[in-house]
Amino acid sequence: DTGVSQDPRHKITKRGQNVTFRCDPISEHNRLYWYRQTLGQGPEFLTYFQNEAQLEKSRLLSDRFSAERPKGSFSTLEIQRTEQGDSAMYLCASSLGTGESNEQFFGPGTRLTVL
Amino acid sequence: AQSVAQPEDQVNVAEGNPLTVKCTYSVSGNPYLFWYVQYPNRGLQFLLKYITGDNLVKGSYGFEAEFNKSQTSFHLKKPSALVSDSALYFCAVRESLGDSNYQLIWGAGTKLIIKP
Repeated sequence: DTGVSQDPRHKITKRGQNVTFRCDPISEHNRLYWYRQTLGQGPEFLTYFQNEAQLEKSRLLSDRFSAERPKGSFSTLEIQRTEQGDSAMYLCASSLGTGESNEQFFGPGTRLTVL
Repeated sequence: AQSVAQPEDQVNVAEGNPLTVKCTYSVSGNPYLFWYVQYPNRGLQFLLKYITGDNLVKGSYGFEAEFNKSQTSFHLKKPSALVSDSALYFCAVRESLGDSNYQLIWGAGTKLIIKP
């Protein structure tokens, strides 16, 4: 399977703990996006990379959230001192950044539950 | 700022009947519009997009969407619904972040239920 993969698929943690999620995009895709999705809502943009550069970060994103893409391939999203309100599905997507309208390909998501 | 509205939380259609899932948008400039589908326990899948050209766009799984500039709408349609079309459908519009970078602004989603 050469699609976008995410690990883990599910994560249960206690409030105050740190968690880290990984995303492996489609190999030739240079753009990588992180979204958060809660039940009954569309995806909410968190941050975006072009290659290893983080080009945009949502103003709604708490300082407890950090993302990296050190070699321009896989990316990690870390949440520090988790809160119950962080419980959501975290989605990763990638696209090929040529042209104007390239569709994004999504991974299956990581479902986070903060107890 | 760009925005997308999906006015229906849920749409119920009998199998074999035509279906429409509504989407309206608000953008500055020319809209770049997308439809995605999300099946249970699976990631979002791209269905189709409108960039320019013909107002009727054809996509995956027999779906099509009609771009209507005067009504600022981009409704998703299918002539004959299948039970397997039951899923969550999202409309999205591209918002420019500058320097050839962009993000997608998403609607809240519409749950499509096809009854046998």
